[in-house]
Order: sequence, then C-alpha cells, then structure tokens
Amino acid sequence: DTEVTQTPKHLVMGMTNKKSLKCEQHMGHRAMYWYKQKAKKPPELMFVYSYEKLSINESVPSRFSPECPNSSLLNLHLHALQPEDSALYLCASSQGTGTALETQYFGPGTRLLVL
Amino acid sequence: AQSVTQLGSHVSVSEGALVLLRCNYSSSVPPYLFWYVQYPNQGLQLLLKYTSAATLVKGINGFEAEFKKSETSFHLTKPSAHMSDAAEYFCAVNRKTSYDKVIFGPGTSLSVIP
Repeated sequence: DTEVTQTPKHLVMGMTNKKSLKCEQHMGHRAMYWYKQKAKKPPELMFVYSYEKLSINESVPSRFSPECPNSSLLNLHLHALQPEDSALYLCASSQGTGTALETQYFGPGTRLLVL
Repeated sequence: AQSVTQLGSHVSVSEGALVLLRCNYSSSVPPYLFWYVQYPNQGLQLLLKYTSAATLVKGINGFEAEFKKSETSFHLTKPSAHMSDAAEYFCAVNRKTSYDKVIFGPGTSLSVIP
C-alpha cells in the first residue's frame, strides 16, 4: 500500500473558523510533510515531522498549527485564516528522517477556500 | 543556493511525438535532481531522481532524464507521448543548508494533442 490519504477533499471556511486537515499513511513511514500549493505554482514546504517530532518549520504563520499524534497521522489545525491562505494543501510521507534523497509519497490534497 | 529553472511554462506535443521538457539547475555542489508529475486534481508523483550514480536515469511511465554537468541540465524525455501524459511536470533540486529539502521549479504544463 503506497497510499497517503487526506481528508477532507474540499473545505470552505470563514476567517473566524477553526478547522483541521487530516493526513494518514500506513506505509510505516517516519517522516511526514505539509506543503501548500497555490494555483499554477509549485508546492512550498510548510512543515516536516520526523519520528513524530517537528523537525522543520518553514517560518509558517502561527494560524497554521501542525500536529503528529502518532507515526501514521498528521494533522494541520487552521485558525483565523486569511483569504490568501486559500490553496491546495498537500501531505506527503517518506521512509525515514526526511532528507531530500528520500522518495516522498504525496496525498491528493485538500483544496481549501477561505472566505 | 540551489535552484532550478524550467524553460517553457506550457508545452504541446502530438500523440506519438517526442516529449522534451527542459530543466536547468544552479548548484555550487553536486546536486540531487528530481522530476515529479502532477495529474489534474492529484498530488505529486516521483518520476525519477538523479543521485550521481548514473547520468542517464530511467523512470516510470517510459520517461528518462540525462544529467549533463557541462550544461547544468536535467531534461526529461519520452520517445512517444500518450494522451495520459498530459499533466504538470516539476523539476526539483535538493537544497543543502542547515537541513535538507527539495526545491521545486515553476513547472511545465504538458498538453498532448490527439
């Protein structure tokens, strides 16, 4: 099974809402990632978890709060977002420590619209 | 700092024709290079990667890429395009600073004309 699943597929939220994105993998991978992708642009790395510990935070605003409850799950908690945060949010996982050489397996993404 | 450029934001080819997607990198050290594909409404999938083992790298779905240090290029090719190849293609390079991560190029949208 080389699948990374993400829920929900689509999310519409207001600027005062609190919502969460969920990502799950059952490949035994120990590194998990959140990316943000605007339309017609490449993905931009947000966070990396390695062995359930946050290893990289790419200076992401605090209105985005990641959480890794266990080695299979990755959440992204959203609060007080801005319309410019509307994007496709991609989750990925890789085998070990999250180095660039590892093959990353991507989920289909959650398309977020902030009104 | 490591970076990649992709010549042509949009490429159209006829079905059965050669696919050539261009990627040039900038790196002060030997890079790791990658090609990813993103089909509509999907996440990214690794096509192939160069890690200095061999300059000609074969990937999935009939794609291959050749690392040319003298040209700082890593162009992606496929001898015969299929309709199913229509997608967004991203070239990427690793960035070595205090930590290691993949930097994506701007992407090339490939259209295949029947």
